[in-house]
Amino acid sequence: GESVGLHLPTLSVQEGDNSIINCAYSNSASDYFIWYKQESGKGPQFIIDIRSNMDKRQGQRVTVLLNKTVKHLSLQIAATQPGDSAVYFCAVKTGANNLFFGTGTRLTVIP
Amino acid sequence: EPEVTQTPSHQVTQMGQEVILRCVPISNHLYFYWYRQILGQKVEFLVSFYNNEISEKSEIFDDQFSVERPDGSNFTLKIRSTKLEDSAMYFCASSKGQKETQYFGPGTRLLVL
Repeated sequence: GESVGLHLPTLSVQEGDNSIINCAYSNSASDYFIWYKQESGKGPQFIIDIRSNMDKRQGQRVTVLLNKTVKHLSLQIAATQPGDSAVYFCAVKTGANNLFFGTGTRLTVIP
Repeated sequence: EPEVTQTPSHQVTQMGQEVILRCVPISNHLYFYWYRQILGQKVEFLVSFYNNEISEKSEIFDDQFSVERPDGSNFTLKIRSTKLEDSAMYFCASSKGQKETQYFGPGTRLLVL
């Protein structure tokens, strides 16, 4: 199986600052990792993913870092904006089709 | 941009009643999924579906649950006899391939009274 946890349930940042959201997973066989953003009343929205053969991947204002040695995943958001306020989930896939989700970190951006 | 859609957005039902939740996956996707999220908790996997059959299911997906692709576009989740603890948000997702990104619908909020 798999156990996925996020380090902080809530995170508050000032607008314009960088945000870092962390996630830990338990199964060293996990090979695909995704960050989702969930706004109130909506479904999880894909942000960025990374496979186990990489340790860093960048998107638009977002970077995902994967440390397989300590089984740790992070999402960095540059120049955080009010529209980034949401709950962020990491999700992990271990061979099978299904995703194991973490408990989520609620990011609040303070204007 | 193509999206996964779900109907209804909200469903209220009496305990013991049957409900059918509907999803229209992204049109060129081949893998379909149902997840649920009890209020305040994490998103949990229920079932995956490929080539007109269940490919995986979790412990949650017991005999009360079934899935079907009745036509070329819809993907449904049926709960035969709802229980209070079935109250949750139910999300449908789809992906092009087994190792591809899963895209989620907006969810159906099910409330069992």
